[in-house]
Amino acid sequence: QQPVQSPQAVILREGEDAVINCSSSKALYSVHWYRQKHGEAPVFLMILLKGGEQKGHDKISASFNEKKQQSSLYLTASQLSYSGTYFCGTESRRGSNDYKLSFGAGTTVTVRA
Amino acid sequence: DAGVIQSPRHEVTEMGQEVTLRCKPISGHNSLFWYRQTMMRGLELLIYFNNNVPIDDSGMPEDRFSAKMPNASFSTLKIQPSEPRDSAVYFCASSKIAGAGETQYFGPGTRLLVL
Repeated sequence: QQPVQSPQAVILREGEDAVINCSSSKALYSVHWYRQKHGEAPVFLMILLKGGEQKGHDKISASFNEKKQQSSLYLTASQLSYSGTYFCGTESRRGSNDYKLSFGAGTTVTVRA
Repeated sequence: DAGVIQSPRHEVTEMGQEVTLRCKPISGHNSLFWYRQTMMRGLELLIYFNNNVPIDDSGMPEDRFSAKMPNASFSTLKIQPSEPRDSAVYFCASSKIAGAGETQYFGPGTRLLVL
């Protein structure tokens, strides 16, 4: 089952902050965040693993609350290059050696000068 | 290092024709994934392989779709016969191993248009 992302879209001015949320109805092993620019492939940003581990990428950081089965991506002091569609991918362990990554519908971020 | 390589990058075909999409994963990666992306359905996992063995093909839409991985460096996704509703961007991705928090690296995609 797909995780649910919110909001669907957000418009920012350079320097503003935004939060993108991702929630799942299943227990999660990890959450992956990707960014996709128009006409391009999704590009990996970060992985958050079970245990509340938080990892950052430049001024983009994320958190993972495994109890709530939620993850949030934080865009801080946004830059024009942050524009794109952000996807969360959730990984639920279904059986030994059998993992499946399900992607949310995406959040389109537009950063304006 | 080369990333995931996909060919062709664009494909336009007519309904009923056979379409074959190709993928070369990153060297040393043992897992390969085929995804389909459309505006309506987003990014969907079609099938994935571990060590050339198909593990989960529950996302394959119907019998018209088939995927093979004859060796560690090559995979194909075939649609026969193709239909207009198959028009989408098809991505191949690879990782060192499926799961365990491993990063998936996406290829540039094949943009398929079925007329």
